[in-house]
Amino acid sequence: AQSVAQPEDQVNVAEGNPLTVKCTYSVSGNPYLFWYVQYPNRGLQFLLKYITGDNLVKGSYGFEAEFNKSQTSFHLKKPSALVSDSALYFCAVRDPDTGRRALTFGSGTRLQVQP
Amino acid sequence: DTEVTQTPKHLVMGMTNKKSLKCEQHMGHRAMYWYKQKAKKPPELMFVYSYEKLSINESVPSRFSPECPNSSLLNLHLHALQPEDSALYLCASSQGFTSGVSTDTQYFGPGTRLTVL
Repeated sequence: AQSVAQPEDQVNVAEGNPLTVKCTYSVSGNPYLFWYVQYPNRGLQFLLKYITGDNLVKGSYGFEAEFNKSQTSFHLKKPSALVSDSALYFCAVRDPDTGRRALTFGSGTRLQVQP
Repeated sequence: DTEVTQTPKHLVMGMTNKKSLKCEQHMGHRAMYWYKQKAKKPPELMFVYSYEKLSINESVPSRFSPECPNSSLLNLHLHALQPEDSALYLCASSQGFTSGVSTDTQYFGPGTRLTVL
């Protein structure tokens, strides 16, 4: 079975400071990992994904994520947070070995960036 | 263009009503999805269509009935819903599946906020 955990319900950071939103995963094989962001009363927007290759993945709006196989983690990062980054962030995983052709989402982390 | 559109944006219905949610994409994607999202929770998969055929049904009650009339459209027909079915219903699409595995990205619509009275 595939699963993903986001251990923090909320992350608070001051504008201009670096931010990290944590994600750990569990799959039987090599995972496909995704980050999405959701603004209030909106759908999910794709930020970035890791399939294979470089462990550091760069995505939209200055976000990046680092795939760490030994720690089974895929933390989302940004060097300098903006107030407009405040939103709900979801990590998601797909395990290609299971043949399950759908994403499993983490519980979500609310990011609050203070001015 | 990575746009998925959904109509209506908001829907209020009684428990005896019949209504439909609509989703459309013009990206040439061949896989389409319905998710249900309760407040402050992650999306939960309901159905997956691949090449207009239903490939996943996550044991969803029969009061929800999906339909994929063509590769661009996805409907969700609603009948005799319960108040606990009130949620944000999200549609998504992705390029599609080749021999078994898809690495592609799902693009989501803005959702339909459903309230069942």
